[in-house]
Parts: sequence; structure tokens; C-alpha cells
Amino acid sequence: DTAVSQTPKYLVTQMGNDKSIKCEQNLGHDTMYWYKQDSKKFLKIMFSYNNKELIINETVPNRFSPKSPDKAHLNLHINSLELGDSAVYFCASSPPGRTGGSTEAFFGQGTRLTVV
Amino acid sequence: AQKITQTQPGMFVQEKEAVTLDCTYDTSDPSYGLFWYKQPSSGEMIFLIYQGSYDQQNATEGRYSLNFQKARKSANLVISASQLGDSAMYFCAMSLRGAQKLVFGQGTRLTINP
Repeated sequence: DTAVSQTPKYLVTQMGNDKSIKCEQNLGHDTMYWYKQDSKKFLKIMFSYNNKELIINETVPNRFSPKSPDKAHLNLHINSLELGDSAVYFCASSPPGRTGGSTEAFFGQGTRLTVV
Repeated sequence: AQKITQTQPGMFVQEKEAVTLDCTYDTSDPSYGLFWYKQPSSGEMIFLIYQGSYDQQNATEGRYSLNFQKARKSANLVISASQLGDSAMYFCAMSLRGAQKLVFGQGTRLTINP
């Protein structure tokens, strides 16, 4: 029933570890995203994929590597985790744009990553 | 470049009153969309309402309406008859046509008092 689901919901890990967050959407959307929400609640795009192809990479360190095995899945792998990576990571998807405009994104419930 | 500004870090409103959350945007592109999202304390992002730059009428969704003033580049969210469950962070966002990303404002924390 869930539209955009991501796992895990919480992730606590030590500095230097590698971790992955998984995301799946059952809405049939072509476009998927990763957003990061920092401790001040500011949301910023990290990556955007359209039909498994990377469209946007917003100056994210290359320790972050998204992977889209098919258009329903977009996973995020993070190498060598740092304290500053602690944040909430949201996966989202969106349908094709509305005529003359753009389109909303549907968000997963978020993954709260804490690096200790 | 796109920019969204929400100038109210926090708002406190009595239950059943109407509330207006401010949002101004900056873009030179004529085709764009404006969005409002709600983030309750549980953390999920809930889409509320959308306004396209070419839409002639202000968008409405139930108790939510968007006061779109194109010349002023503002897209304020109006919540009528506020309820305790409206207490949350509210984010204004913009997307340019074909840009495939949302740019968010800083958010406004709305607290509804009984």
C-alpha cells in the first residue's frame, strides 16, 4: 500500500563505516530523488534520476553513490561516513510534469542517519 | 537561480483561526510550479497544494488555499479554521519546468494553541 518506502527508518553507525539506504516506489513514476534534511530542517536535493539515468548531482561528495537498478528503485550508498553526514535522508518520486508546469514529489518517510 | 524565502521561522495561532504562511520566490523562468508541504513531528513530508505559474486561479485543497500573486512573486499558504493537528513545519518549494528538482524554503514552524 505504501507509495514510497525507504529502509531503514533509523540508522546509527560509527564514523568510517559504509552504509546503504534503500528506496522503492510503487507509483509507476519515472523520476526519483534523494534529498537531505539537515539539523536546521533545511531540505536540499542531492540526486535526481529519470528512468534509471542520473539527471542531477548537486555537488554531493563522491562518498555518496546512488544506484538505480530499475525505475522503481533508487538506493543510496555512503562510504566512509563522517559526523557531518548525520541528517535525515528522504527518497521521493514524481510523475511526469503537468502541462505548462512542473510536478510535486511524493516523499518516503525518511531515514534518520546518526554518525557517532 | 531559483530561490524560495520563508520569513516566518515560527507562528503561533489560536485554534479555529485562519493562518497565512508567507512565501516569496525568485526566478526569471516563466514556467514554474509552487508547492507547499507539511512536515509533522513524526517527520514525513506531506504534499498539500500546487500552483502552476500559468494557472489563472488560486489553488485550493480543502482547508488549504494558495494566495498566488505573480507580480509580487509570492505564494502564501492560507489555512482556514486551523486545527491542533495543523501544528507542524511547513515548507514552500518551487520547481522549474523540466528541472526535476524542488528548491525549498527554510520552513515555518506553525503551532496551533487550544
